[in-house]
Amino acid sequence: NAGVTQTPKFRILKIGQSMTLQCTQDMNHNYMYWYRQDPGMGLKLIYYSVGAGITDKGEVPNGYNVSRSTTEDFPLRLELAAPSQTSVYFCASDRRGQGVTEAFFGQGTRLTVV
Amino acid sequence: AQKVTQAQTEISVVEKEDVTLDCVYETRDTTYYLFWYKQPPSGELVFLIRRNSFDEQNEISGRYSWNFQKSTSSFNFTITASQVVDSAVYFCALSEEDQFYFGTGTSLTVIP
Repeated sequence: NAGVTQTPKFRILKIGQSMTLQCTQDMNHNYMYWYRQDPGMGLKLIYYSVGAGITDKGEVPNGYNVSRSTTEDFPLRLELAAPSQTSVYFCASDRRGQGVTEAFFGQGTRLTVV
Repeated sequence: AQKVTQAQTEISVVEKEDVTLDCVYETRDTTYYLFWYKQPPSGELVFLIRRNSFDEQNEISGRYSWNFQKSTSSFNFTITASQVVDSAVYFCALSEEDQFYFGTGTSLTVIP
């Protein structure tokens, strides 16, 4: 079972560049999330989606955009990268409706903006 | 206000000691879920346990045990006879409505 797959695993961006972090899940989960984890810190929610076509901001959405055109995919777009966006990014998914599963996490994307 | 508080930022214990990681949560929902995750040095997030708000039974899984007390809004995690492989950051999380809320994590170092 693939679970939640994130690509790429590592990336170095120059200030002002843009990129898309890809996330796909094969568990038919309705909810998906993007978190960032700064060194030595906890997880901060960037955006989340409760289903295809529906997205909402989390705690730290500035500088990011998302879309959810399918149940499986939830890409995160960074526009005009800044050094403050240097972080590890985690995508996660879970199923809600009849109870809540645990959140399944991808392996993370380590992004450095220089 | 923090919905999930893990007051212990860092803990060091000597191998074979028992250690308890504290987690206090805040919610107005009657239905909610609590979780513990482990993040080893390799960086991935490993699910350990899920508890719903209607199940206050303590749980034991090998050397791991969890104490859920609604009266004190706590969901503490105990590792018995700690091992070096237990060294990691442990996150407590609360799920209500549409989101997970994570604590800031407790970094556990087990010294051989």
